[in-house]
Amino acid sequence: GQNIDQPTEMTATEGAIVQINCTYQTSGFNGLFWYQQHAGEAPTFLSYNVLDGLEEKGRFSSFLSRSKGYSYLLLKELQMKDSASYLCAVRDSNYQLIWGAGTKLIIKP
Amino acid sequence: NAGVTQTPKFRILKIGQSMTLQCTQDMNHNYMYWYRQDPGMGLKLIYYSVGAGITDKGEVPNGYNVSRSTTEDFPLRLELAAPSQTSVYFCASSLTENTEAFFGQGTRLTVV
Repeated sequence: GQNIDQPTEMTATEGAIVQINCTYQTSGFNGLFWYQQHAGEAPTFLSYNVLDGLEEKGRFSSFLSRSKGYSYLLLKELQMKDSASYLCAVRDSNYQLIWGAGTKLIIKP
Repeated sequence: NAGVTQTPKFRILKIGQSMTLQCTQDMNHNYMYWYRQDPGMGLKLIYYSVGAGITDKGEVPNGYNVSRSTTEDFPLRLELAAPSQTSVYFCASSLTENTEAFFGQGTRLTVV
């Protein structure tokens, strides 16, 4: 079966750095997405990786290793508004998006 | 600058009733999707469309129907609502299968 694993919940301190991991087992791979979802709101796009390596976008970076079936989202200089769920999604060989359950990130002052 | 517009935001249905969730996008996107999101679970694809006149089943299509008569609109129909359909429903669209998806604000549906 297809599976996306992420930690259920993480806690970090304002101003710090946090890394949210995502491991996947899917039938084929055609890209990995990270989305942010605030409570009661719709997911919004953060990043897309299709090749191995690090993609940096401001305070957020995303890393992909296809051989290990592994990605992480790195958030720097954490702000209270970063408190949200972070969703990892993988596009499989049929171009279907398989979603993880999300990681709830709690930021403490 | 509307993006993806989804209505209604909230709805309570009685078992056996039917309803249509409306979704429209103004970005001229070819791809449109309907997802449901249950607590502690990843988004599950109900139906998707790659263009007007074309629809396909996703992972959890039972109990739902869709149509795509225009590029802009992709309504989701629930027939004979059941408690298992209590969920948050999201409509989304993307230009291609490899580009980011834009989501509507969601519909919180309760079936009692």
